[in-house]
Amino acid sequence: DQQVKQNSPSLSVQEGRISILNCDYTNSMFDYFLWYKKYPAEGPTFLISISSIKDKNEDGRFTVFLNKSAKHLSLHIVPSQPGDSAVYFCATPWTGGTSYGKLTFGQGTILTVHP
Amino acid sequence: DVKVTQSSRYLVKRTGEKVFLECVQDMDHENMFWYRQDPGLGLRLIYFSYDVKMKEKGDIPEGYSVSREKKERFSLILESASTNQTSMYLCASSSGGYEPQHFGDGTRLSIL
Repeated sequence: DQQVKQNSPSLSVQEGRISILNCDYTNSMFDYFLWYKKYPAEGPTFLISISSIKDKNEDGRFTVFLNKSAKHLSLHIVPSQPGDSAVYFCATPWTGGTSYGKLTFGQGTILTVHP
Repeated sequence: DVKVTQSSRYLVKRTGEKVFLECVQDMDHENMFWYRQDPGLGLRLIYFSYDVKMKEKGDIPEGYSVSREKKERFSLILESASTNQTSMYLCASSSGGYEPQHFGDGTRLSIL
């Protein structure tokens, strides 16, 4: 049972436009989310996070929005750049009780930004 | 800056072989993790360790074991490699809780 879902396997965007990557989750107890970015042949790198006490967190061109009632979060990249082309994963560290920081990941969305 | 180093970038082995994947971190992190990444499935946790000699199964532990004899080193062992274990393997470490995990660059393992 996939507790964190990214239903769009891929997204194609023109340079300079907005990229919106979506993530849905099933458990209303989840209280923290992270986004990771992964280039081919490299490990994922942490991008941005959000706590459930907030509905928005911003870091430069990257903003994450959290809609708790819909159990939905989204990552906005504005403006998109060709260097943003990568696989994006959403993840949550909550697995019930003591987690030791274990992460549950979504399936990932491949973002392609065209010049 | 945190550095997680995986011993091999690419590895080719034969079915039935015993395979060792090594991971070293330099930030004195308590927690270390092994994931595999497959298209359409995201990253799935195989095993993790929260202290030396301590380990717990993740979501897909079958066919794997791990070893953590020193805090900085976490090894993944494929006891008898099979073709369905062909995958990208990623090691990560963290200080725990909600702190982000730091990943190595991965080992692309092919089992023939």
